[in-house]
Amino acid sequence: GAGVSQSPSNKVTEKGKDVELRCDPISGHTALYWYRQSLGQGLEFLIYFQGNSAPDKSGLPSDRFSAERTGGSVSTLTIQRTQQEDSAVYLCASSSKTVSYEQYFGPGTRLTVT
Amino acid sequence: EDQVTQSPEALRLQEGESSSLNCSYTVSGLRGLFWYRQDPGKGPEFLFTLYSAGEEKEKERLKATLTKKESFLHITAPKPEDSATYLCAVFGQGGSEKLVFGKGTKLTVNP
Repeated sequence: GAGVSQSPSNKVTEKGKDVELRCDPISGHTALYWYRQSLGQGLEFLIYFQGNSAPDKSGLPSDRFSAERTGGSVSTLTIQRTQQEDSAVYLCASSSKTVSYEQYFGPGTRLTVT
Repeated sequence: EDQVTQSPEALRLQEGESSSLNCSYTVSGLRGLFWYRQDPGKGPEFLFTLYSAGEEKEKERLKATLTKKESFLHITAPKPEDSATYLCAVFGQGGSEKLVFGKGTKLTVNP
């Protein structure tokens, strides 16, 4: 079956611009997660959705970062006024939770801020 | 705060040379320990979930084990295609739904 998909796969933007990253989870998965992976760092949790609600936003690094999920499916991560330190791979994962805790990851979006 | 430490950071093996990767963790109530494989330029690929001490799971040349403080990923007679970064993550009962990841072990298997 189809896995988690993310778009775009690569994004280059200028400092100060806004960017939107999209995630399409596995069909039927109610839980959706965003993580960030920087060079030399482990995966860093950003935000968790259960349905359309975000009960855990504790990982968002600043108020420039926001995310939403609509229809219990697609999610968008928005970064406003991008900074060079935002350059990283942004990964989305989804989970059924009712079956198990395993999270299944998409291929990621590589964001480069110049 | 939940923490995961993986060792070694990098490991080079000859094809057929068995070894183990370590994942040490501290967590407030373990709900699950996960192993993932990550190839360059790709997202992590799920390998195993372990839920309680003493549990073991196997898949091809890989075997994961769990104690109350650490997990091991044993690789038996590895092949070059096993080369990847192996990530360990924990899911705790601390009120958050996030996975806490280690920094990974980069495995290289030479032919």
